[in-house]
Amino acid sequence: ETGVTQSPTHLIKTRGQQVTLRCSSQSGHNTVSWYQQALGQGPQFIFQYYREEENGRGNFPPRFSGLQFPNYSSELNVNALELDDSALYLCASSPGRAATGELFFGEGSRLTVL
Amino acid sequence: QKEVEQNSGPLSVPEGAIASLNCTYSDRGSQSFFWYRQYSGKSPELIMFIYSNGDKEDGRFTAQLNKASQYVSLLIRDSQPSDSATYLCAGANTGNQFYFGTGTSLTVIP
Repeated sequence: ETGVTQSPTHLIKTRGQQVTLRCSSQSGHNTVSWYQQALGQGPQFIFQYYREEENGRGNFPPRFSGLQFPNYSSELNVNALELDDSALYLCASSPGRAATGELFFGEGSRLTVL
Repeated sequence: QKEVEQNSGPLSVPEGAIASLNCTYSDRGSQSFFWYRQYSGKSPELIMFIYSNGDKEDGRFTAQLNKASQYVSLLIRDSQPSDSATYLCAGANTGNQFYFGTGTSLTVIP
């Protein structure tokens, strides 16, 4: 069983640029969620995709957007990068939207904005 | 606003002792609660989840949930140095959207 994989693992961007982060969900999982974890903080919910539709969004501006593809992989796009966007971006998949399901996290993409 | 509050610590306990980690939550709509362990530079890994009032035991770990008090705790018995990590408490709503606390840093001293 293949786990959640994310790419790239590390990247450096400058303020104002755009970034795309990618995630492959665990086999059999149709729900993908993205979280932002700043240094010393807990993960913050960005949004969730279920069967290619956005299914909930946290308190993040519209310059954070995403996609989910028919194979349930997903992308997170961030436009007009700001210094505060520097964080670990975690993708998590789950087999559905049930509240009793756990999240399976990837190893994350560490973004540094200079 | 959904919030989960944790003491950030650091919490230090000697090897073999019981470590007690606590969190409170504000959203009464939260259905399930999770404890994740996160080693430095790594992604969170699930320790336990609980969704009914009372205690749930799994090996050296016991999770406790009190919905009336909106309180969740994790006890780690016979603490080991390998338990040294940050422990994240999270609540999940009916859409399986998780709201995490800031984490409690635990150090187990050999």
